[in-house]
Amino acid sequence: EVQLVQSGAEVKNSGESLKISCKGSGYTFTSYWIGWVRQMPGKGLEWMGIIFPRDSDTRYSPSFQGQVTISVDKSISTTYVQWSTLKASDTAMYYCARPASGPYYFDHWGQGTLVTVSS
Amino acid sequence: DIVMTQSPESLAVSLGERATINCRSSQSVLYSSDNRNYLAWYQQKPGQPPKVVIYWASTRESGVPDRFSGSGSETDFTLTITSLQAEDVAVYYCQQYYASPYTFGRGTKVEIK
Repeated sequence: EVQLVQSGAEVKNSGESLKISCKGSGYTFTSYWIGWVRQMPGKGLEWMGIIFPRDSDTRYSPSFQGQVTISVDKSISTTYVQWSTLKASDTAMYYCARPASGPYYFDHWGQGTLVTVSS
Repeated sequence: DIVMTQSPESLAVSLGERATINCRSSQSVLYSSDNRNYLAWYQQKPGQPPKVVIYWASTRESGVPDRFSGSGSETDFTLTITSLQAEDVAVYYCQQYYASPYTFGRGTKVEIK
């Protein structure tokens, strides 16, 4: 069974750094892209970017380029999103998701990581 | 970026009646080399991650009831729920995966009238 298990909720102060994770299991981790999606409170879904674990090929939405870093550690089947300087506007639920094939539509999702940043 | 515009923002339908959600892309998402529309529909219930219901514009995901159907091509797409059930109350999003960034629509909230 394909599973994506995300790290737990975080409460941070503005200006702090943060790295959240998503561990894949039940499939060949290096053969599938993993994407990240933001959902701000009460709002819609925003596609942040996607990474191919085999070679770390990464594509960012221009809205998130330079604001976050998406990375991967193949040895532990885990992908990450990292912020160097959090802002209150980063408060959101963050989902990782795996496409069925290619970097396309997502057919498996993590449970979400709630990030709360206080100013 | 390809902009995905959904309508309406919200929709109230009686149980057993039809719900129709529209999605328009700012450019065609039909890839000529494989004649596929790179368009998916997701259902998100409160407190849950989204779930894909339709992909390639009209292919139903395994396990999704056949009252859900997708149609359309190039820039105009529709998700139809025939005979709305209580468990279909959710927000529905379209997404194009034709060109990065693979943008979502803003969502349509479906409620029971």
